[in-house]
Amino acid sequence: GDSVTQMEGPVTLSEEAFLTINCTYTATGYPSLFWYVQYPGEGLQLLLKATKADDKGSNKGFEATYRKETTSFHLEKGSVQVSDSAVYFCALSDLRGGSEKLVFGKGTKLTVNP
Amino acid sequence: NAGVTQTPKFQVLKTGQSMTLQCAQDMNHNSMYWYRQDPGMGLRLIYYSASEGTTDKGEVPNGYNVSRLNKREFSLRLESAAPSQTSVYFCASSWDGSYNEQFFGPGTRLTVL
Repeated sequence: GDSVTQMEGPVTLSEEAFLTINCTYTATGYPSLFWYVQYPGEGLQLLLKATKADDKGSNKGFEATYRKETTSFHLEKGSVQVSDSAVYFCALSDLRGGSEKLVFGKGTKLTVNP
Repeated sequence: NAGVTQTPKFQVLKTGQSMTLQCAQDMNHNSMYWYRQDPGMGLRLIYYSASEGTTDKGEVPNGYNVSRLNKREFSLRLESAAPSQTSVYFCASSWDGSYNEQFFGPGTRLTVL
C-alpha cells in the first residue's frame, strides 16, 4: 500500500539555521502531498501542500516541491525561528474507495534554540 | 467558529471499561475521521465517514466502533478498553472530494490501566 517515509528526528537547530526535513513516498497513482505541523499540546494543522508533479507548496517561509522522479517532497526553510519548534508530518492523500484518506509519516520533532 | 471540538481532553480508564469520545465540527464538512497517535508511529486512521450515514474502516479499526450521528458529529466508542488503546486520539474533518485540507481537533489523551 501507499506509504510515507520521513527523516527521523529529533532535529535540533540554532535560530536562523537552514532546515531540511526529508520525505519520500510510495504510491500507486498520483497522490497529493502535504506537510502538517503539530505545535506542543495542539492538533495538526496544514502547513503546505502540492497536488501535482513540480508544484511547489509554500507557507510561513517553508517550501516543498513535489518531485515525481525521485518520489520526494522535502521540507525546507531558510532561517528557522524558535517559534518553529514543533513536530512536522509529511502525508499523502489516498483516494481509493472514493474518499480521501491521508497516510502520514512518523513525524519529525524540530527544536530550535535561541 | 470553533472548528473541530473534542471531548474529553483527558481520560483514564481501567481495562474492560467502555467510553465514547465525542467530536463535532461546525464547518459543514462532509467527511470526518478518527486517528490515533502513538510515539514513533505517526497518525494512523481508525475509521472515517465520507458522508452522513456512512462509515468505513481505516488502518487500525479493531476494538473500536463509530457513529456518524449527523453531519456535525462523529463519535468513537471503545467497548472494552485495553492497555494497547492508550494513545492520543484526534478527530478531523474535511470537504469531500479530492485533495482537501483536513482540519484537526485538539485531541483526547486516553490512558488505559
